[in-house]
Amino acid sequence: GENVEQHPSTLSVQEGDSAVIKCTYSDSASNYFPWYKQELGKRPQLIIDIRSNVGEKKDQRIAVTLNKTAKHFSLHITETQPEDSAVYFCAAPPGGTSYGKLTFGQGTILTVHP
Amino acid sequence: DTGVSQDPRHKITKRGQNVTFRCDPISEHNRLYWYRQTLGQGPEFLTYFQNEAQLEKSRLLSDRFSAERPKGSFSTLEIQRTEQGDSAMYLCASSLGTDQPQHFGDGTRLSIL
Repeated sequence: GENVEQHPSTLSVQEGDSAVIKCTYSDSASNYFPWYKQELGKRPQLIIDIRSNVGEKKDQRIAVTLNKTAKHFSLHITETQPEDSAVYFCAAPPGGTSYGKLTFGQGTILTVHP
Repeated sequence: DTGVSQDPRHKITKRGQNVTFRCDPISEHNRLYWYRQTLGQGPEFLTYFQNEAQLEKSRLLSDRFSAERPKGSFSTLEIQRTEQGDSAMYLCASSLGTDQPQHFGDGTRLSIL
């Protein structure tokens, strides 16, 4: 099955700085990589995703990059704001199947200090 | 609200009791997933449906767990003879198809006394 490793487990930045979270996956056939943001007591919220035929995708202050050769993908948040503070999860489905179930990383607690 | 809805939001029960949770997916979504999340961890896949067919069950899903989606719309997850280790947040998600964005509900938090 798919194995997803996420680093770092905690990340503390000053408001306005950039934050980068990295994930590695094991199944080279995986082809879809979403990122979720989860605030305390709330549902995981999809913030951006990328497919394997694209190397980078950007949405305002958030971007995701994918390196298929190295089997890793990263979330980049620029100009961080206190409301970006949350737990961020990467995920990947197993490749070679049509199931779509997601294997999640362990999560990164991002704290943005004003 | 046209998002994924789950009921109840919280469930407190005694060990050994049976509990049932409900999930209503986004109306046009044919795929429905159940995940379990414990404190400090990412969601773990339990099972999923395409329309009314249950296509995969995780090894995490013991014989005490059963899920249904009888008409291809809402789904129920039942846990029989609950144990302390069943305490967790049970999340439901739905999507339009394979490798399409999965949208989560607010979850049902289960506490076993």
